[in-house]
Amino acid sequence: DIVLTQSPGTLSLSPGERATLSCRATQSVNNNHLAWYQQKPGQAPRPLMFGASLRATGIPDRFSGSGSGTDFTLTISRVEPEDFAVYYCQQYGGSPITFGQGTRLEIK
Amino acid sequence: QVQMQESGPGLVKPSETLSLTCTVSGGSINPYYWSWIRQSPGKGLEWLGYIYYRGYTDYNPSLKGRVTMSIDTSKNHLSLKLSSVTAADTAVYYCARNQMLPYDIFDIWGQGTMVTVSS
Repeated sequence: DIVLTQSPGTLSLSPGERATLSCRATQSVNNNHLAWYQQKPGQAPRPLMFGASLRATGIPDRFSGSGSGTDFTLTISRVEPEDFAVYYCQQYGGSPITFGQGTRLEIK
Repeated sequence: QVQMQESGPGLVKPSETLSLTCTVSGGSINPYYWSWIRQSPGKGLEWLGYIYYRGYTDYNPSLKGRVTMSIDTSKNHLSLKLSSVTAADTAVYYCARNQMLPYDIFDIWGQGTMVTVSS
């Protein structure tokens, strides 16, 4: 199975700052099939990015994704108050699909 | 728009079978792949497997043959059965729609249902 390791575990930022979240895979993710999700308390995860760099429907352009192979990054250019949440990466390059353990973005 | 709602017992005894249903509304089960995912504090998000509207399945090997998924296209229902449960199966269980492919992102999720395994 591909294990995804996210860092940092917690990121403390103020609104308006830039957020950089990392996701590293134990082996290359086929076709860069790497997605990012946002989850708020009591809610299901919401897709943000797929194919490493493509925004899901309705996602604002302050969210961007990059990377290939084993190293991927989610960037929020200027964090808005509604962006404080937990973020997960997911690889879907093959079976079984796996998720990272999450990065918590909290208000500094 | 498409919505999904999980339902089933919130409490299951150890060694018994967990059974959940997911009702899809606002759209058709065809021609999508549908997945079950669970989330627990200890193991995070875990993909359990998918079922295609035609009934094909693929399960996560970590479940070691305990899982069965089924689909009823006439009722727009998905079902999940997990046998021989232990406390490690305590989690929030989600049904979700695969965007397009068997292995894909999940573009629509149910709200999730909490299942506790305890005597």
